Amino acid sequence: KNQVEQSPQSLIILEGKNCTLQCNYTVSPFSNLRWYKQDTGRGPVSLTIMTFSENTKSNGRYTATLDADTKQSSLHITASQLSDSASYICVVNTGGFKTIFGAGTRLFVKA
Amino acid sequence: NAGVTQTPKFRVLKTGQSMTLLCAQDMNHEYMYWYRQDPGMGLRLIHYSVGEGTTAKGEVPDGYNVSRLKKQNFLLGLESAAPSQTSVYFCAGRVDRTDTQYFGPGTRLTVL
Repeated sequence: KNQVEQSPQSLIILEGKNCTLQCNYTVSPFSNLRWYKQDTGRGPVSLTIMTFSENTKSNGRYTATLDADTKQSSLHITASQLSDSASYICVVNTGGFKTIFGAGTRLFVKA
Repeated sequence: NAGVTQTPKFRVLKTGQSMTLLCAQDMNHEYMYWYRQDPGMGLRLIHYSVGEGTTAKGEVPDGYNVSRLKKQNFLLGLESAAPSQTSVYFCAGRVDRTDTQYFGPGTRLTVL
């Protein structure tokens, strides 16, 4: 069964600290993996996209990694800011019309 | 550009009432999608469209209907609302299958 599992479910960190969010998937076939950021009351916004051959991709303070062998991805946030408080959603595309969404990790950044 | 917009933003219905949610985009999206988002679950696909005049069922289509008469609009209808349809509904669009999906701001629907 195609699944995307994210951990932790929620996370609280202090402003300025780093954190890493995890995504494990059992999706086949695999086309690409995206991380989205969803602010409260808004729609998700794409942060990064990685294909099978890419190991790492950065977008400012966000760095995503992909291990296609173990079917794991992570999103690392450096020097967190209050505006990073949001849900982060891992999304895997199969290349057809199937897009599998994880349930998300809710990140709270405290001053 | 307005991007992807949704109307209305909030709605409360009684069981058995009907309503239509409107999604509009000015980004030349060929593909459009309707999702629902429930607490603790990932976004689930209700229906989608691969072009003007076409629609197809997604993962959870029961109780919903859609229409795409114009490329820029994708309508989601609830003929007889049920409490189980209480959710936040998101519309999304993209130019082609390799493009990222651009989401609207969502519609929060409560069915009493």
